[in-house]
Order: sequence, then structure tokens, then C-alpha cells
Amino acid sequence: AAGVIQSPRHLIKEKRETATLKCYPIPRHDTVYWYQQGPGQDPQFLISFYEKMQSDKGSIPDRFSAQQFSDYHSELNMSSLELGDSALYFCASSALAGGREQYFGPGTRLTVT
Amino acid sequence: QQPVQSPQAVILREGEDAVINCSSSKALYSVHWYRQKHGEAPVFLMILLKGGEQKGHEKISASFNEKKQQSSLYLTASQLSYSGTYFCGTEMRVNSGGSNYKLTFGKGTLLTVNP
Repeated sequence: AAGVIQSPRHLIKEKRETATLKCYPIPRHDTVYWYQQGPGQDPQFLISFYEKMQSDKGSIPDRFSAQQFSDYHSELNMSSLELGDSALYFCASSALAGGREQYFGPGTRLTVT
Repeated sequence: QQPVQSPQAVILREGEDAVINCSSSKALYSVHWYRQKHGEAPVFLMILLKGGEQKGHEKISASFNEKKQQSSLYLTASQLSYSGTYFCGTEMRVNSGGSNYKLTFGKGTLLTVNP
């Protein structure tokens, strides 16, 4: 069965640089979520999209933005990177009509040096 | 509002049982349970929608109390593969009458199963 695809899997950036993370949801899933997870912490909700429209916003810094495109893939854009942005970034997708269980991608490990 | 999970950590020997609790101060729309192994993505285990509901998945089952404020995850006859961090996620509707839901994870319970 198709799963959520994230790219890149690993990313190393320097402070003040920008990064773009990509997410390809499971086919026919209409909702995409982005999470940030620091070491030993629970996933922190950043932002979600339902049918290409932003549906909810969590603890996402103003330096970050995201969008969902017509093919349902989503991108998380991160600018002016800080050391504290180093974390695992997960994308998850769900089908609203299907019970809303979220299926997570493998994550992108971002390291800011 | 973040749900409260307990215990924070538990160590078992293979074959032993464990219970992980998840509670909220408000009634919830649903409870999700996920397991995450170190460095990997959280994996969906089950979702409970109705008060009083119980669900099972092999030797892992869960319940959702009648008031929909508390859920428990039961792991019986634990196996080495059960090791990982278990998160409950509590779901509330973002907007009244709308279709947007927000999932908030608890801080997790680290389960270690030793031979």
C-alpha cells in the first residue's frame, strides 16, 4: 500500500539559511498535517491543510510557511533558520471521511549548524 | 489542551502486561493511539470514537470511558517488538459544525520490554 512520502530524508543547513520540506500524502487523502518533534519530545502540531486550504495552525513560527498544491502535495518552507529548528519534521495525511487516523511519513531530519 | 499520559515510563519482562492511561479535562471527540520507535515515524494503532468503546488489535487493546475523557491502552503478554514510545492523541473539533479536527498528543509513555 502507498505510504506518505517525504523528501529529503536528511537536511543540513546553516543558521539563517532557508529550507523546503516536501510531503506527498497517501492517494485520496484530503488532509495533510505537519509536525515538529524534538529529541525525547512529543510531536508538536505546526499546521494542517484540508482540500488545499489551511485548516488549522499550531505552534508554527512566523518564519515558517506552508501550502498545499493542486496535486495535494505540501511544502513546508522555513526561513532564517535557527539552531533550535533542528528536529524531526513529520508530515501525516488522513481521509476525513475515513475516520481521520493519521498516517505519518518517515520524517525529515533537519540539522541546523 | 494536552492530554495527560501515565506512567511516563514502564519496564517489562517479555510476557508481562502493561496499562497506559490517557486523560483529558474535557470530553473528547476521539482518542488515537500511536507507537513510535526511536528515530522512526509514529505508527497508528487504533482510534476510539464512542464512549464505552473497546477495541482490540492482537494483544493490544484500548478502551474509551463513557464520559469520553479517559482512555487506556492494554498490552498483554508483551513481546520485544512492543518496545517504543506510546502516544495518545486526543481529538477535538476545531470549529463548530465544521470538518476540521485538531489532534493533540500526550507526552508519551516509554515502554521497554526486556527478554
